[in-house]
Amino acid sequence: EAQVTQNPRYLITVTGKKLTVTCSQNMNHEYMSWYRQDPGLGLRQIYYSMNVEVTDKGDVPEGYKVSRKEKRNFPLILESPSPNQTSLYFCASSLQGVRSYGYTFGSGTRLTVV
Amino acid sequence: AQSVSQHNHHVILSEAASLELGCNYSYGGTVNLFWYVQYPGQHLQLLLKYFSGDPLVKGIKGFEAEFIKSKFSFNLRKPSVQWSDTAEYFCAVTSSGGYNKLIFGAGTRLAVHP
Repeated sequence: EAQVTQNPRYLITVTGKKLTVTCSQNMNHEYMSWYRQDPGLGLRQIYYSMNVEVTDKGDVPEGYKVSRKEKRNFPLILESPSPNQTSLYFCASSLQGVRSYGYTFGSGTRLTVV
Repeated sequence: AQSVSQHNHHVILSEAASLELGCNYSYGGTVNLFWYVQYPGQHLQLLLKYFSGDPLVKGIKGFEAEFIKSKFSFNLRKPSVQWSDTAEYFCAVTSSGGYNKLIFGAGTRLAVHP
């Protein structure tokens, strides 16, 4: 089944403890992206990647890192999480860009930082 | 900067009522427009998209949207809603700058009562 898989689905952590949220897609998509969803703000893009080793900042990149060493994987790294990063996170992928295909979204990761 | 406005944050309807959710965007050039739906506890799913051609776009589950360029609008409609349409609906537009940025509105929560 074609899908975007995120892990974990739920995560509670403490301030300052490094964490990684994994994202993998099995559709051979070139484009991948991370969004965070907050009430009243919709979804905001954190980082995106156009291909292996090519990444760029979105609208809210502060406090996050990403890497794209393989085409299928696009992990989101929080080096030192803070409570304002408590949010619902979505990974998404697209075959050749949003303009033509839109995004396919993962099931989301609900992160709580205490 | 490009932006998307969804006029209604919460909508409550009875089953069989007609639905129209407003969406306006700020960019005056060529745009690609999307409506996504998020059912409770689930990820975003594509309802419909507009790239070019017929401004009346039909999507899944009986939804349609009309692109009115002069009004910078892309309103979502459904003639008769069902309880199962209870969800949050997001309008989104591609940015003028890149292939990967999908800019979302804040979302509209729809509750349909039996």
